[in-house]
Amino acid sequence: DAGITQSPRYKITETGRQVTLMCHQTWSHSYMFWYRQDLGHGLRLIYYSAAADITDKGEVPDGYVVSRSKTENFPLTLESATRSQTSVYFCASSEESSLPYNEQFFGPGTRLTVL
Amino acid sequence: AQKITQTQPGMFVQEKEAVTLDCTYDTSDPSYGLFWYKQPSSGEMIFLIYQGSYDQQNATEGRYSLNFQKARKSANLVISASQLGDSAMYFCAMREGDFNKFYFGSGTKLNVKP
Repeated sequence: DAGITQSPRYKITETGRQVTLMCHQTWSHSYMFWYRQDLGHGLRLIYYSAAADITDKGEVPDGYVVSRSKTENFPLTLESATRSQTSVYFCASSEESSLPYNEQFFGPGTRLTVL
Repeated sequence: AQKITQTQPGMFVQEKEAVTLDCTYDTSDPSYGLFWYKQPSSGEMIFLIYQGSYDQQNATEGRYSLNFQKARKSANLVISASQLGDSAMYFCAMREGDFNKFYFGSGTKLNVKP
């Protein structure tokens, strides 16, 4: 199916464990993004990627690692999960554009709970 | 400084009435885009409306319109004739220049009462 998908949709893990959230898009968009959503904070950018093998930090990157070996995939890894990383994680993608109008398309989100 | 500020954490509106959700932004770039997204309780992010900094007219999409006041740096979302299905979180976002990053506000939770 075309679009942007995330897996798993729900995940419960324990403090200190490594967990990877997957994101896959079928549009061949250049840009991909990871956000976390917490009450009172809206969406905060964790990492983004302009193309395969090009990634950069966002507003809240500590404790997260990303990679992008293929254009369509952008996994997010929590190397040693902490309770403060309990959140809803959204992946998004967009085309590369120099025009101000450049909609971001969002995945359905992954709800992560760290016990 | 916050790039996007939404000062209304929650709002109530009566069904069939109009409601305005506030959004102010901060940028020194002359070229930028402003976006509104809706997030229903199911969690997905739904794009509603866009306003470009050079657009002369306020954007409209069906029952949604954007009250764009450039000098005041505000981009308020107006929903006319509210429906029960409009109950959701609403996020204002901005893209500056040719950077492909978005800045999001903290959101406004709208409740439409029957």
